[in-house]
Amino acid sequence: DTEVTQTPKHLVMGMTNKKSLKCEQHMGHRAMYWYKQKAKKPPELMFVYSYEKLSINESVPSRFSPECPNSSLLNLHLHALQPEDSALYLCASSQDSRGPATNEKLFFGSGTQLSVL
Amino acid sequence: AQKITQTQPGMFVQEKEAVTLDCTYDTSDQSYGLFWYKQPSSGEMIFLIYQGSYDEQNATEGRYSLNFQKARKSANLVISASQLGDSAMYFCAMKSPNAGGTSYGKLTFGQGTILTVHP
Repeated sequence: DTEVTQTPKHLVMGMTNKKSLKCEQHMGHRAMYWYKQKAKKPPELMFVYSYEKLSINESVPSRFSPECPNSSLLNLHLHALQPEDSALYLCASSQDSRGPATNEKLFFGSGTQLSVL
Repeated sequence: AQKITQTQPGMFVQEKEAVTLDCTYDTSDQSYGLFWYKQPSSGEMIFLIYQGSYDEQNATEGRYSLNFQKARKSANLVISASQLGDSAMYFCAMKSPNAGGTSYGKLTFGQGTILTVHP
């Protein structure tokens, strides 16, 4: 199984709503990532979890709150978002061998297309 | 600082012909990895091919090959015998130790090239 599964595929929310994006992988990977991607732009890294601990937060606003309940699951909790937060949110995972692993590829999900009204 | 440059915003190719997508990179690290990803309109980022900085031979994966010229810091993707399903956005990316992050380096993406395959 080489899949990263993201739900929901599409999400429309108001600025006062609270919602969550979910991501799951069963490849035994120990690193999981959230990326944000605007149309026709490259993905931008938001968060990295390594062995279920948050290892990178790319100065993301606190209205985005990541959570890694176990090694297979990654959530992104959303609260009080702004219209400019509308984007494709991609989850990814990689093995995370904790060594010199510049060859370690990331496996991506299909993303959640988020619209904030 | 790590940087990836893709100078072709869009490329067109006739079905069954070959096409080259350009990628140049900049890093002060000796050890790094170069990746190409394909992103169809469905949104998923699909891994295509990998080249390590110490690999002496150019990487190949089916119809994909990577033209790696280390001295010129270029890692162009060659797609042979293009198919209609190859129409997508293509991203070149690099992982190097000093970019920080887990697994010895964060993935830095170029701006992407939109490839359109004509029948």
